[in-house]
Formats: sequence, C-alpha cells, structure tokens
Amino acid sequence: EVQLVQSGAEVKKPGESLKISCKDSGYSFGSYWIGWVRQMPGKGLEWMAVFNPGDSDTRYSPSFQGQVTVSGDRSVRTAYLQWSSLRASDSALYFCARYHCTTTTCFFDYWGQGTPVTVSS
Amino acid sequence: DIQMTQSPSSLSASVGDRVTITCRASQDIRNNLGWYQQKPGKAPKCLIYGAFSLQSGVPSRFSGSGSGTEFTLTISSLQPEDFATYYCLQHNSYPLTFGGGTKVEIK
Repeated sequence: EVQLVQSGAEVKKPGESLKISCKDSGYSFGSYWIGWVRQMPGKGLEWMAVFNPGDSDTRYSPSFQGQVTVSGDRSVRTAYLQWSSLRASDSALYFCARYHCTTTTCFFDYWGQGTPVTVSS
Repeated sequence: DIQMTQSPSSLSASVGDRVTITCRASQDIRNNLGWYQQKPGKAPKCLIYGAFSLQSGVPSRFSGSGSGTEFTLTISSLQPEDFATYYCLQHNSYPLTFGGGTKVEIK
C-alpha cells in the first residue's frame, strides 16, 4: 500500500530555518514526482512545487521560487521542503503528494497527512 | 499563468440533491484537469483525473466532464459524507493552479 508519512508539527520563530519531510513507503521512490501544496489557515490549496527524486528535476511556482527549496534522498525514500529564514506568513499546513503521470494525464493520487507549521515570535 | 475560476464558492444542498460545480480556465487546458475533495483537517483526495476519469475507489455518483476551458464536477445524489470542499486543479502547464474551492454545506 502506498503511504506518504510527513514529519510532525513545527513551532518556530521568525528567521529560523526549517526542513520538513515526506517519507514514502510501499512504492518505488524515484519513479514518481512528489509535489508540495500549502494551505494557509481557512484558505484554499496552493501548489508550491514538484520534485523528481529520480533526477532531482524541480519545478516551482513563481510564488514560492526563491522562498523554499525542495529536495529528496532516495536512500531513505524521503522528500523535503525547507526554508532558510521563516516568516510569520509561512504559518500553514503543508501537504506532500505523489504526482502520478500516465501517457495522457497527471494527478496527485496519494497524499501525506500534512505538516502544520506555526511561525510566531 | 493559467487562472482557474471555480463557481460557486459555496452552496447549500440536501442529501439526495444533484450538485454541479464548475471550473473555468483562463486558456485552453485540453483535458488536463482534476477534481479533489477535502474535509476539514484532512488531506485532499483525488476524485477525478483527466477531466472525466474516476479515480479508483471513488463512488460512481461523482462524474467529471468538459474540455478546453469549461469543466464540471457533478455529484448525482449527494450523500452525508460528501459535505466537504472541492477543488479543481489544472496540470496543463506550470505553474499548476488550483481553483478557489467550493464548500458544499448541508441545507
């Protein structure tokens, strides 16, 4: 069974760094892209980036380019989303999801449970 | 960037009602659209991909249609477990973009 397990809730101060994780189990990490999605409190879904663990190819939303870095480690089947300097506006729930592409279409078929991030002084 | 305009932003309906949600793309995205359901505090769940293909395990009361710039998600007979927020997502080109969401509430 495919399962994406995300790291736990984080409480940080502005200016601190953070790296959250998304570990796969049950499928061939590296065969599918992994996406990251933000949901601010009471708001909708925002696509941030997709990452290919096979070759480290990454596509960012312009809204998040330069603000976050996505990466992965195939040896531990884990994808990461990181910030070098957090802001209060980064407080949100972050989801990872497997981006499954066929010959004709793509979709996010399996999702992590979400990692809440709170940034407050 | 492709803008996805979803309507309505919310609706009230009763169990058994037929519900229709629409997404309009700012440019042609062929059939590169999916529909996702999200319940409070939970991860989204894919219902429809490729505009009309039902994801495995999703009840047949959910259906998708459309192509190009106009897409529809239909719930043929609303069930209690369907009260949730629904989002469309286009993947025709980067950046991927979600619609603003439609909250389906109990009348």
